[in-house]
Amino acid sequence: NAGVTQTPKFRVLKTGQSMTLLCAQDMNHEYMYWYRQDPGMGLRLIHYSVGEGTTAKGEVPDGYNVSRLKKQNFLLGLESAAPSQTSVYFCASRQTANTEAFFGQGTRLTVV
Amino acid sequence: GQSLEQPSEVTAVEGAIVQINCTYQTSGFYGLSWYQQHDGGAPTFLSYNALDGLEETGRFSSFLSRSDSYGYLLLQELQMKDSASYFCALTGGRGSTLGRLYFGRGTQLTVWP
Repeated sequence: NAGVTQTPKFRVLKTGQSMTLLCAQDMNHEYMYWYRQDPGMGLRLIHYSVGEGTTAKGEVPDGYNVSRLKKQNFLLGLESAAPSQTSVYFCASRQTANTEAFFGQGTRLTVV
Repeated sequence: GQSLEQPSEVTAVEGAIVQINCTYQTSGFYGLSWYQQHDGGAPTFLSYNALDGLEETGRFSSFLSRSDSYGYLLLQELQMKDSASYFCALTGGRGSTLGRLYFGRGTQLTVWP
């Protein structure tokens, strides 16, 4: 059982470059989430989706875009990376709004 | 909006009991969850309270009081492996926040031998 898989696990970008982080889940979950985690800041919600074809903004959406064309995949895009986007990114999924969330192993992104 | 407050650090010795409190502000939510995260790892689910009262899962218990906007995680018979960060989280249950999963900033628990 793969659960929630994030790709890539590590990445170094130059300022201004773009990239896409992929989150894939094999549990047929409806809800998917993207978070960033910075020291002392906890998990801050970037964007989320409550079902295939839907997306919504979280607490810190600026500089990011997302898409959920297929139920099992949730993509996070950085169009023009900035050093302030250096962080650890976590994806999570769950079946309903009141069930446990399962997290991927994280993507460590450094923007130089 | 939604906000959750929890202490930044807690320390205790092996075998002791520790309580991590969480206060929150929300316009409506499904329930309060707790997650554990070890350094360098992913958060993992510990407990969920949909209703007021105590939920017990082994050495861990969680409590919710909706009238007081307050919950806590109770860890008993502490072990060294319990040293980790603990997060309270709630899911928005109304309007534009429906389905959002919000986390507090986390409490770093250090267990000493």
